[in-house]
Amino acid sequence: EAGVAQSPRYKIIEKRQSVAFWCNPISGHATLYWYQQILGQGPKLLIQFQNNGVVDDSQLPKDRFSAERLKGVDSTLKIQPAKLEDSAVYLCASSTSANVLTFGAGSRLTVL
Amino acid sequence: SQQGEEDPQALSIQEGENATMNCSYKTSINNLQWYRQNSGRGLVHLILIRSNEREKHSGRLRVTLDTSKKSSSLLITASRAADTASYFCATDAGTGNQFYFGTGTSLTVIP
Repeated sequence: EAGVAQSPRYKIIEKRQSVAFWCNPISGHATLYWYQQILGQGPKLLIQFQNNGVVDDSQLPKDRFSAERLKGVDSTLKIQPAKLEDSAVYLCASSTSANVLTFGAGSRLTVL
Repeated sequence: SQQGEEDPQALSIQEGENATMNCSYKTSINNLQWYRQNSGRGLVHLILIRSNEREKHSGRLRVTLDTSKKSSSLLITASRAADTASYFCATDAGTGNQFYFGTGTSLTVIP
């Protein structure tokens, strides 16, 4: 089966600019997650979707981050405006009810 | 907040040796999983152990879980250079399948 697709793989922007990341999960996976992984740290959960509804966004900095999964399939994570501390890899993962996460390769963001 | 904390932070061993890494967590869990991350890549699921299980095996991997101590260990036997990666534990503590990752152990296997 095809894996979790993410784009772009790399993005460099200046602070205060905006950026968007896209994720296409594995077909049939109802649950989709966005994680932020800062260099040298473990992934931090930003938001979890079940189909097109938000299950948990308690750690999403909502003043600058937004995410949507309008049709319950693809998802977009947006940062506006970006700060230096947003430099990280943004990982998308999907799962079925089996509780095992399948991750994409990630989108590496550098904010200058 | 991150649920788990792995130790050691870094581990370097010779090929053929066993590698053991530990994970401690803070609250009651439904299950605990281990993932591997190669440099510059996404995470790959290795093994899942449920809260009512104490030990699980998968190939060269052995995972133990001690819920009374809120800890788990991952043992990789007969390590290979290809095992070089970062290893993370992840806990599922809530009712909505939220997964919280630890800080990771960086394993280097020297050929």
